[in-house]
Amino acid sequence: QQQVKQSPQSLIVQKGGISIINCAYENTAFDYFPWYQQFPGKGPALLIAIRPDVSEKKEGRFTISFNKSAKQFSLHIMDSQPGDSATYFCAASKIANAGKSTFGDGTTLTVKP
Amino acid sequence: DAGVTQSPTHLIKTRGQQVTLRCSPKSGHDTVSWYQQALGQGPQFIFQYYEEEERQRGNFPDRFSGHQFPNYSSELNVNALLLGDSALYLCASTQAADTGELFFGEGSRLTVL
Repeated sequence: QQQVKQSPQSLIVQKGGISIINCAYENTAFDYFPWYQQFPGKGPALLIAIRPDVSEKKEGRFTISFNKSAKQFSLHIMDSQPGDSATYFCAASKIANAGKSTFGDGTTLTVKP
Repeated sequence: DAGVTQSPTHLIKTRGQQVTLRCSPKSGHDTVSWYQQALGQGPQFIFQYYEEEERQRGNFPDRFSGHQFPNYSSELNVNALLLGDSALYLCASTQAADTGELFFGEGSRLTVL
């Protein structure tokens, strides 16, 4: 049973455009929702994370929107750049137990110059 | 400050063999989690070690076992390898007193022929 569903599987965006990736979770006990960025040959690295007590969190060009009632959260990348081309994973866990995170299947983002 | 280091980076085994993968956590971290990332999928939680004991386990068979040493480094052992065990094995570390961010290594790419 997949507890975190991520879409789309792949995304192509023009430089300067907005990239949007969506995730839905099932376990209402989850209270920590991070996004990880993974480049080829590298391990995932934390990009931004949100807790359900806020509906939005912004860090630079990256924004997480969170909808607790719908059990959905999304990553928005503003002014997308070719250097943003990577695979993005959403994840969910209990914040006190982030070592046991449930990941989505990833979105491969390609930003065309 | 060294991050999470894993070895070996790549290895090839044949069905039925056994493999040992190694991980040194980020400096100051005492908790190690192992994940399996199949091609085109998100990381899946295998197990977590803290204070030299397996604390949590994901949905993986007993062929997958591990160990944590007093210096917090860890090993992942897989016995009786199957073709389906081919994947990138990721180690992630955290500090038990902290909450949230996982720090990942670059992984060990295992190919089973």
